[in-house]
Amino acid sequence: DTGVSQDPRHKITKRGQNVTFRCDPISEHNRLYWYRQTLGQGPEFLTYFQNEAQLEKSRLLSDRFSAERPKGSFSTLEIQRTEQGDSAMYLCASSPPTGVNEQFFGPGTRLTVL
Amino acid sequence: GDSVTQMEGPVTLSEEAFLTINCTYTATGYPSLFWYVQYPGEGLQLLLKATKADDKGSNKGFEATYRKETTSFHLEKGSVQVSDSAVYFCALTDAYSGNTPLVFGKGTRLSVIA
Repeated sequence: DTGVSQDPRHKITKRGQNVTFRCDPISEHNRLYWYRQTLGQGPEFLTYFQNEAQLEKSRLLSDRFSAERPKGSFSTLEIQRTEQGDSAMYLCASSPPTGVNEQFFGPGTRLTVL
Repeated sequence: GDSVTQMEGPVTLSEEAFLTINCTYTATGYPSLFWYVQYPGEGLQLLLKATKADDKGSNKGFEATYRKETTSFHLEKGSVQVSDSAVYFCALTDAYSGNTPLVFGKGTRLSVIA
């Protein structure tokens, strides 16, 4: 079963450090989304890609956040100079090029900033 | 902008009880509607979907009907099991755009006791 995978599953870092997360979508999916989920809340959209193009970024995505999807395959989300408020679950989802925008989610990366 | 409102939890039910989780939405376009489920320690899984008015989505004994007149998509199950204990999220996306991210409700935690 080749679902969406994310790495690492857990990351603990100190405030001010940089972190990078990776997402591998389902292979035939050309759309890739990043969301952030905090305790007791639903996922909130951060950014998405169609193939290698980053088409939309949320206002939640401050300039400390950057995302890439080189060659339209895997994607990385980097957070620079982490802050305690960045502690959250970071979710990646992908969806196929046609049909209803049904998104398939990975297991998430839980970030804890000390 | 688009939004989703879910009934607040937690909801605690005895096994075999009837379940309803209310969901209403606000959207400017013609959204597709989804219910996702998050089991403890796992990622989001699509439970069911509906893409147009009066559609009924169903899966694993759960059902939800897209009601345009009341802008609702309530989740129901006739007889819950302990294994249904999870957090349930209602979500929408703009069906016509095709690329828009999901907008989630805050989630409703369901606990089913034997």
